[in-house]
Amino acid sequence: EVQLVQSGAEVKKPGESLKISCKGSGYSFTNYWIGWVRQMPGKGLEWMGIIYPGDSDSRYSPSFQGQVTISADKSISTAYLQWSSLKASDTAMYYCARGTSSSSQIDYWGQGTLVTVSS
Amino acid sequence: DIQMTQSPSTLSASVGDRVTITCRASQSISYWLAWYQQKPGKAPKLLIYKASSLERGVPSRFSGSGSGTEFTLTISSLQPDDFATYYCQQYNSYWTFGQGTKVEIK
Repeated sequence: EVQLVQSGAEVKKPGESLKISCKGSGYSFTNYWIGWVRQMPGKGLEWMGIIYPGDSDSRYSPSFQGQVTISADKSISTAYLQWSSLKASDTAMYYCARGTSSSSQIDYWGQGTLVTVSS
Repeated sequence: DIQMTQSPSTLSASVGDRVTITCRASQSISYWLAWYQQKPGKAPKLLIYKASSLERGVPSRFSGSGSGTEFTLTISSLQPDDFATYYCQQYNSYWTFGQGTKVEIK
């Protein structure tokens, strides 16, 4: 069974750093792309970026380029999304999602990681 | 960047109604379009891909059509489980989502 299991909810202060994770199982992790999607409270879905764990090739939405870093460790089938300095506006649910290519439909989603940034 | 525009933003309907949601792309995306259903507190779920292909396990009352820049999602007979928010997604060039359509009880 294909699963994407994300790390737990986080509460952080503005200016702090954070790295959340997404562990894939039940499939060949290096053969599929993993994307990250933001959903701010009460709002829609926004694509942030995507990575191919096989060679760590990554692409970013212009809206998120320079704001976050996407990485992957294929040895433990895990993708990451990280911030170096959080802002209150980063408060959101973050989903990882699997695609067969950098331009494909999403067939599996993680359960989401809620990030709350508040002083 | 390709922009996706959904309409309406909110739709009030009754059980048994036929419901149609429209999604427009800012440029041609061929048939590289998917539809997702999201319920509160849950991750989205794939319903339709390649504009009109039904994902395995999705009820046949859901259907999709269109190509180029204009697409529709139709629910032929709305069921209680269908009250949710629906998103279109282009994947001709990476991913872009529409702003969502909330289907609520009339």
